[in-house]
Amino acid sequence: GIQVEQSPPDLILQEGANSTLRCNFSDSVNNLQWFHQNPWGQLINLFYIPSGTKQNGRLSATTVATERYSLLYISSSQTTDSGVYFCAVEDSGGGADGLTFGKGTHLIIQP
Amino acid sequence: EPEVTQTPSHQVTQMGQEVILRCVPISNHLYFYWYRQILGQKVEFLVSFYNNEISEKSEIFDDQFSVERPDGSNFTLKIRSTKLEDSAMYFCASRIPYAYEQYFGPGTRLTVT
Repeated sequence: GIQVEQSPPDLILQEGANSTLRCNFSDSVNNLQWFHQNPWGQLINLFYIPSGTKQNGRLSATTVATERYSLLYISSSQTTDSGVYFCAVEDSGGGADGLTFGKGTHLIIQP
Repeated sequence: EPEVTQTPSHQVTQMGQEVILRCVPISNHLYFYWYRQILGQKVEFLVSFYNNEISEKSEIFDDQFSVERPDGSNFTLKIRSTKLEDSAMYFCASRIPYAYEQYFGPGTRLTVT
């Protein structure tokens, strides 16, 4: 099945810093989503981005499908950005395959 | 904005008991999914469901698990005889046909004692 690797596994930054999270995947995809898991365990959908670039406030994401990677940018980090960020993909084989998640990047923003 | 809902938010059960986790997908969605996340680990796909039957399932989804759409709104996951290792957060998700973005519910935290 498709493989998903996220880096870095852990990231500690000061408030106000910028960060870049990376997701590499091993095959062509129909779907790529970025999630933020909050302290209560909920998965907050940040972006649906199988290709191209999107922005939402301080967050933006870029997926280069031909090179099989995606980047999530967080600018001017706030303590509320802390948590685990997951990349998840669905390969383009058709059907109703589930998403394959990476292991996540654990982001800690210090005041 | 419509959203996926799940009940209960937290369930505690004894080993060997049956549990049913409930989900209400977004009303015009036709594909439904269950995922689980053991504490501290990544989210894992369990099963997908379309047109009143299972579309895909993972190795985790063994005979102890079953899914059902008992009416026009609910989608359930049943675990017949719970084990300690079934303790996890269970997420339901749904999507419309011809669009791949999945919408996730808030999860049910299952604790087996």
